[in-house]
Amino acid sequence: QKEVEQDPGPLSVPEGAIVSLNCTYSNSAFQYFMWYRQYSRKGPELLMYTYSSGNKEDGRFTAQVDKSSKYISLFIRDSQPSDSATYLCALRDTGFQKLVFGTGTRLLVSP
Amino acid sequence: EPEVTQTPSHQVTQMGQEVILRCVPISNHLYFYWYRQILGQKVEFLVSFYNNEISEKSEIFDDQFSVERPDGSNFTLKIRSTKLEDSAMYFCASSADDQPQHFGDGTRLSIL
Repeated sequence: QKEVEQDPGPLSVPEGAIVSLNCTYSNSAFQYFMWYRQYSRKGPELLMYTYSSGNKEDGRFTAQVDKSSKYISLFIRDSQPSDSATYLCALRDTGFQKLVFGTGTRLLVSP
Repeated sequence: EPEVTQTPSHQVTQMGQEVILRCVPISNHLYFYWYRQILGQKVEFLVSFYNNEISEKSEIFDDQFSVERPDGSNFTLKIRSTKLEDSAMYFCASSADDQPQHFGDGTRLSIL
């Protein structure tokens, strides 16, 4: 079983749609959960950062962590063409520095 | 907003040659990292660096790799004898204590 699994997509939605992006993981020791956005030929850009379980909202973005199911989600409301990018989940264990990334989901928002 | 900067954006090197990738982390950050992303694959952790020493490294980070903080602002990754399979995007990141990592835009390394 892979440590972090993420559907590579592409996920195509019309402008204004609600987007749901997800990752599952196998290591119950992960305590820090991040979502990064990566545009073509650019580095990962931090979107959301959550410690342990629960929800976090920032503008149009909501991150959810369900540790009992080992499942994390990123919701994007009122999606825009500028949201078209690859979305990476990244997880970290307490006591370690390394981030473990998912493969990334490519999102396409059409006008 | 402060950002991590990396140079060069693209490096072309002959197989067997040494290459140095350079990074300027965010100024008040104390933790520094290198990751790589082979085309079409996941971003993979290479090494973390804190207080002038390696704090964590992956299996990928073997003896051909080294890191250095030569002065108060730069952080470098050296690959001693490059192989074709070293071709990848290399990302530098930095963070404050127990805070999320911020990434640069990467150096695309092409080994011929």
